[in-house]
Amino acid sequence: KAGVTQTPRYLIKTRGQQVTLSCSPISGHRSVSWYQQTPGQGLQFLFEYFSETQRNKGNFPGRFSGRQFSNSRSEMNVSTLELGDSALYLCASSWGTGIVYEQYFGPGTRLTVT
Amino acid sequence: AQTVTQSQPEMSVQEAETVTLSCTYDTSESDYYLFWYKQPPSRQMILVIRQEAYKQQNATENRFSVNFQKAAKSFSLKISDSQLGDAAMYFCASFQYSGAGSYQLTFGKGTKLSVIP
Repeated sequence: KAGVTQTPRYLIKTRGQQVTLSCSPISGHRSVSWYQQTPGQGLQFLFEYFSETQRNKGNFPGRFSGRQFSNSRSEMNVSTLELGDSALYLCASSWGTGIVYEQYFGPGTRLTVT
Repeated sequence: AQTVTQSQPEMSVQEAETVTLSCTYDTSESDYYLFWYKQPPSRQMILVIRQEAYKQQNATENRFSVNFQKAAKSFSLKISDSQLGDAAMYFCASFQYSGAGSYQLTFGKGTKLSVIP
């Protein structure tokens, strides 16, 4: 079974631009969660989508948004990029949403904002 | 708020020796899961071991085992017979209810493990 895939793997943007990252979950998984990883803050939860609905959201500004499609693929959008948005963005998929469902992580998208 | 603390930013171990990584967490929930994830330099996060809070028995996966002390809110990872491939960042994480029917995974800052040949 194919793992979680994320595209693109690397991205360079300038301040003020917007960016869209994509995540394709493992086949059959309906939940996708997004995380931001930085050296200073570590891994922080952004949001979770399940069956095309946002189920949970972390403490990030409204510039960070996402959506999920009927095939469970998810996109994350960051508008008006800031230098501090430079990070590794990880997505994770699981079969369901709840405490018993293990999350499987993708390789991440490395975003650099200049 | 849920917090997970890893007090050892870096550790090293000789190949074939045993090393223990520490983790403490804070929660008011009674139902939660704890995890250790491994992130090698290639960056793919891999689940190493999981522990259900309601289980008293410590989880074990081959060379990896945990020491789960629920009252002390401590969850350490022991790696036996360390191998070069064990070198990675190790993250402790807590998965628990975060309100409104949803759950959230909270990570510690990580411990970078080096394995010395």
